[in-house]
Amino acid sequence: QKEVEQNSGPLSVPEGAIASLNCTYSDRGSQSFFWYRQYSGKSPELIMSIYSNGDKEDGRFTAQLNKASQYVSLLIRDSQPSDSATYLCAVKPMFSGGYNKLIFGAGTRLAVHP
Amino acid sequence: DADVTQTPRNRITKTGKRIMLECSQTKGHDRMYWYRQDPGLGLRLIYYSFDVKDINKGEISDGYSVSRQAQAKFSLSLESAIPNQTALYFCATSGVEGTDTQYFGPGTRLTVL
Repeated sequence: QKEVEQNSGPLSVPEGAIASLNCTYSDRGSQSFFWYRQYSGKSPELIMSIYSNGDKEDGRFTAQLNKASQYVSLLIRDSQPSDSATYLCAVKPMFSGGYNKLIFGAGTRLAVHP
Repeated sequence: DADVTQTPRNRITKTGKRIMLECSQTKGHDRMYWYRQDPGLGLRLIYYSFDVKDINKGEISDGYSVSRQAQAKFSLSLESAIPNQTALYFCATSGVEGTDTQYFGPGTRLTVL
């Protein structure tokens, strides 16, 4: 079982719709959770971090965390063509200690079509 | 100016050559990381470092070595490059305890022929 799993996609949504990206993780003791956006050939850039169960909203983005189900998701409202990218889920496992090591999923490719 | 820089940005080399990829940061972070990214495999950790005296192997360190010359500089070396080391390489940094976000450099695209 992979430590952090994401559907590779592509997830295709029309412009203006809500895109829902999902991620599951295996380490029940994981503490910190991140969503990164990566455009083709570019470096990952942080969109959201979430540490507690529930929802966290930032503009058009909402991260949702359910530690009991070991599940974290990212909702993108009013999706735009510029949101087309690969979204990486990253988890800081319990064994990371002070090193802040992250385990990354392989990413979900999102395509927003006009 | 970028907080995390990587040189070179692109490199084509031949099998058996020694290659060094360099990373510098102005964020004042103490933790630094090297990753490689291959299509469909996501980011995999090669080496990570807490400070100049602390170097640790990641999940795929074979064939690679690193040097932490200063708090702000972390270099990755391929002693004898092979074609399956063709990949996109990223350096990342992270700050003090309690702020565990990693910030990435622009990447180096390495091709080994």
